Amino acid sequence: AQSVTQPDIHITVSEGASLELRCNYSYGATPYLFWYVQSPGQGLQLLLKYFSGDTLVQGIKGFEAEFKRSQSSFNLRKPSVHWSDAAEYFCAVGANSGYALNFGKGTSLLVTP
Amino acid sequence: NAGVTQTPKFQVLKTGQSMTLQCAQDMNHNSMYWYRQDPGMGLRLIYYSASEGTTDKGEVPNGYNVSRLNKREFSLRLESAAPSQTSVYFCASEAGQGSFEQYFGPGTRLTVT
Repeated sequence: AQSVTQPDIHITVSEGASLELRCNYSYGATPYLFWYVQSPGQGLQLLLKYFSGDTLVQGIKGFEAEFKRSQSSFNLRKPSVHWSDAAEYFCAVGANSGYALNFGKGTSLLVTP
Repeated sequence: NAGVTQTPKFQVLKTGQSMTLQCAQDMNHNSMYWYRQDPGMGLRLIYYSASEGTTDKGEVPNGYNVSRLNKREFSLRLESAAPSQTSVYFCASEAGQGSFEQYFGPGTRLTVT
């Protein structure tokens, strides 16, 4: 069965610092991987996705993620964090189109001045 | 183009009362989903509909029923609400057929007293 682990429940970074949010997955085949962001009181917005091909994917808002098959990881990165990036971030894995995603429990990002 | 809409935004129920959460999408998507979000638990799938006319149970279906009324609408019904169903409920849709990207509604915050 698929599973997703986000090891960090909370992360605090200073504005302008770099960010890396960790995501590990468990899945037999090549998974379809996603990062979503949820601002307070809002729904989820897709940041980026990986299906195949280039293992470094670019997303919206300056985010990128790297798929590492050997480490079963799909970590999210941003070179310089802005205060508006404070939100909850979810990693998700999917087996096939038209079926549900399996979400991690989320990482809450706090950005300090 | 409103995307995915949900009604109501907020609801307070007493234990034993029933209600239906409504979800509609205007993107002509084939697949629709209901998730619940609880603190520290991420998003968990309640039910999904891979295509019009089909519905399937997810991870936490007990206490819920769904109806895929047509391609646009997917409702979630609580027949006899319990305090354990206090949660934020999200509806999502996906085009299917290889698209993988799920679009989320703004959520319904439900409190059962």
